[in-house]
Amino acid sequence: NAGVTQTPKFQVLKTGQSMTLQCAQDMNHEYMSWYRQDPGMGLRLIHYSVGAGITDQGEVPNGYNVSRSTTEDFPLRLLSAAPSQTSVYFCASSPGTGSYEQYFGPGTRLTVT
Amino acid sequence: AQKITQTQPGMFVQEKEAVTLDCTYDTSDPSYGLFWYKQPSSGEMIFLIYQGSYDQQNATEGRYSLNFQKARKSANLVISASQLGDSAMYFCAMRESAGGGADGLTFGKGTHLIIQP
Repeated sequence: NAGVTQTPKFQVLKTGQSMTLQCAQDMNHEYMSWYRQDPGMGLRLIHYSVGAGITDQGEVPNGYNVSRSTTEDFPLRLLSAAPSQTSVYFCASSPGTGSYEQYFGPGTRLTVT
Repeated sequence: AQKITQTQPGMFVQEKEAVTLDCTYDTSDPSYGLFWYKQPSSGEMIFLIYQGSYDQQNATEGRYSLNFQKARKSANLVISASQLGDSAMYFCAMRESAGGGADGLTFGKGTHLIIQP
């Protein structure tokens, strides 16, 4: 049981490049979400999903796309990276309605130059 | 208006002393949950404690307790008998039920706690 896994751990991109941050969970959780953490800030919600095929925007969705084709995977896509997207990205999952537990992945540190 | 406010950017505490980390929140939702997470220098988010808005008693988990004052919208974390390993960033967070609990957590900006020997 690996919990929530994220790849890669570190990534450097040039402005305008695209990439996908991977997130997977093996706990059969309904809910998954993506956060970003900037220096001196708490985590801010980017996008979230309540189940396969259903996604919605969080507090800071601009510049990011998501999809949820399976229960296990919730990739985050940067279509055209900008320096303002330099951040640490956390994926999280939660069992669903009635459960408060939220499990975080180890994070991906992204630098956009 | 900020939904979660942590007013202590940094704290220095002597080892073995008790620590109180402040958190106030703002919501009009009658059903919500309050969380505390620890983030050590290694970067991972470690869940510490949870308090539901309808819970009658303050939550406790080992050396961690949550001082929940609903009328004041306050959810302070108390760490008893602090240890050097408690040095980390601490984040207060809230989940409101308006989104069915699915729309993630709202985090405060955190408190950087340093335990001194």
